[in-house]
Parts: sequence; structure tokens; C-alpha cells
Amino acid sequence: AQKITQTQPGMFVQEKEAVTLDCTYDTSDQSYGLFWYKQPSSGEMIFLIYQGSYDEQNATEGRYSLNFQKARKSANLVISASQLGDSAMYFCAMRSSGYSTLTFGKGTMLLVSP
Amino acid sequence: DAGVIQSPRHEVTEMGQEVTLRCKPISGHDYLFWYRQTMMRGLELLIYFNNNVPIDDSGMPEDRFSAKMPNASFSTLKIQPSEPRDSAVYFCASSLGGASTDTQYFGPGTRLTVL
Repeated sequence: AQKITQTQPGMFVQEKEAVTLDCTYDTSDQSYGLFWYKQPSSGEMIFLIYQGSYDEQNATEGRYSLNFQKARKSANLVISASQLGDSAMYFCAMRSSGYSTLTFGKGTMLLVSP
Repeated sequence: DAGVIQSPRHEVTEMGQEVTLRCKPISGHDYLFWYRQTMMRGLELLIYFNNNVPIDDSGMPEDRFSAKMPNASFSTLKIQPSEPRDSAVYFCASSLGGASTDTQYFGPGTRLTVL
């Protein structure tokens, strides 16, 4: 069985600061992918960043980076230099080789203040 | 390139009416997924297709829900008859393949309200 745990229901950060959103996962598969999605108040689900289980380097996409610690089964999202537009719900998800579908966490609501 | 397209964006209907949600996946994507999002249950997978064939419909709540994919560029999710507890945001997503490396891209969602 696959499971994604996001322990932070809500996070607050000031504009221009960095923030880390936590994600831990559980799977018995050796090959899997980890994904982060952003859902602003408008409702759409926006893909942010991907990390493969065999990737040796942490993924980066602009201001987003993924702190991947395989032994600890964690895949934390780091947002550098937060902007007001980063205020949204963030979902961590996993897709493993044995499943074609995504398993989602419950999400973390991020609020960026001026 | 156009992303996943869903219609309508908003639907308000009365209990007992038939509702049809539509989705056009990204061209060339072989996998299509239907999800439902509610505050209580979060994101739930309803059904997914591979090359237009339904693979797993175990998430479909009951017989009132049905989904079809008549061709590679179109899918529908139908609820008949609709009930107030069906009120949710319904997302369609597509991916190039079914591997763990394949990203699912979501449509904008359809917000369904059943009165």
C-alpha cells in the first residue's frame, strides 16, 4: 500500500522568506515518483516539481526545490523567496511502478504575508 | 500546447437531474483519470483509462456514476440521477504513460453543485 503524509495543515511565512513544506511517504516499491502540486484559491491543480526515486540529485524548478531524503522517505518542498502569489494549498503525491494512479496527501495550506 | 480541457467549469443542477462532465486530454497522452475533490474526503480517484479502455473503476461511488472514453480525445463522466452529496469539484487529468516518471496534468476542474 502507498501512503503520503503531510503533517502541517497550515504554514505561515513572510514575503521573501524561504519555507519548507513537509512530506513523508510509504511504499514497498523501489521505483516511484514524487510530485508536488499547487492549488490556489481559483481551484486548479498546478504541477510544480517531480523527483524520481533513482534520481541522485534533488530536483529544482525555479524557486522550487525538493529536499529528497530516500532513507527517511521524505520529499519536502522548499520554496525560496516566497511571494504573495505562493499562497495556496500544496499537495504531495506519489506514483509507483506498481500503480498508474497518484496517491495524494491531505495538503498544506500556505499563507504568505506582506 | 493546450492543457487538459474540461467543461463546464461550473454546473448547478437539481437533485434527480442527469449531469454530464466532459474532458479533452492533452494530445498524445494515453492515460486519462477522473478525480473528485471534497473537503471531507480530499482527492479521490474515481476511474482511469488507458488507450480509451477503463482500467480501474473501483473508485466510482455507485451505479449512478458512469464514465466513457469513446476516443483518444474525449471522455465523459455522467451522474444519473444526481444527489446533493455529489456536490464536489471533479478533475480530469492525463499523462503520457503509466510509469512512475509520468506526470499527471490536471484540467481546471468542474465545480458541481446539486441542490
